[in-house]
Amino acid sequence: AQTVTQSQPEMSVQEAETVTLSCTYDTSESDYYLFWYKQPPSRQMILVIRQEAYKQQNATENRFSVNFQKAAKSFSLKISDSQLGDAAMYFCAYRGGADGLTFGKGTHLIIQP
Amino acid sequence: SQTIHQWPATLVQPVGSPLSLECTVEGTSNPNLYWYRQAAGRGLQLLFYSVGIGQISSEVPQNLSASRPQDRQFILSSKKLLLSDSGFYLCAWSVNRLNTEAFFGQGTRLTVV
Repeated sequence: AQTVTQSQPEMSVQEAETVTLSCTYDTSESDYYLFWYKQPPSRQMILVIRQEAYKQQNATENRFSVNFQKAAKSFSLKISDSQLGDAAMYFCAYRGGADGLTFGKGTHLIIQP
Repeated sequence: SQTIHQWPATLVQPVGSPLSLECTVEGTSNPNLYWYRQAAGRGLQLLFYSVGIGQISSEVPQNLSASRPQDRQFILSSKKLLLSDSGFYLCAWSVNRLNTEAFFGQGTRLTVV
């Protein structure tokens, strides 16, 4: 079974600075997809970024980028120029088939003004 | 565009009472459908998924059941609620392909008293 591990229960960063959230996963599959979701206090799950395992190039979406290390099974999220609206729970997720996403336990990101 | 509706938003139920949470998707056909539970301070746990009408797969043995009576309708049920069933329940859908993310409803906060 696949597992996703987020080792940082909570992270804090000053507004306008950069923060990196860690995620590792375990799988025996070669074809899969990885995602980062954001869950603000409203608890709505919002997709931040996605990465296809067969692509070597790291995905980027505006201020959000990932560092995908397939051999190490690592998938970290970097948030640049942090904004107050980035404060939320962030979940790393893995998808290897039709049976849904496997999520990590999340990292609570605090933005210090 | 596709939308997902989940209701009710909040529910307080006594121990031993039945449960029915409903989720419907609009704007797509033959979606994969999912029920997740999020306990306080934890990640999302996949409870059930469905790839078609009447096809339900259970990920975790529990006091809950799911049904898919129509293509875009997914129902989470229980005959007798337990205190441990309290939590935040999220319905989600995805296109029936590997390389797609899941889109989430706004969730139901269930408190069993």
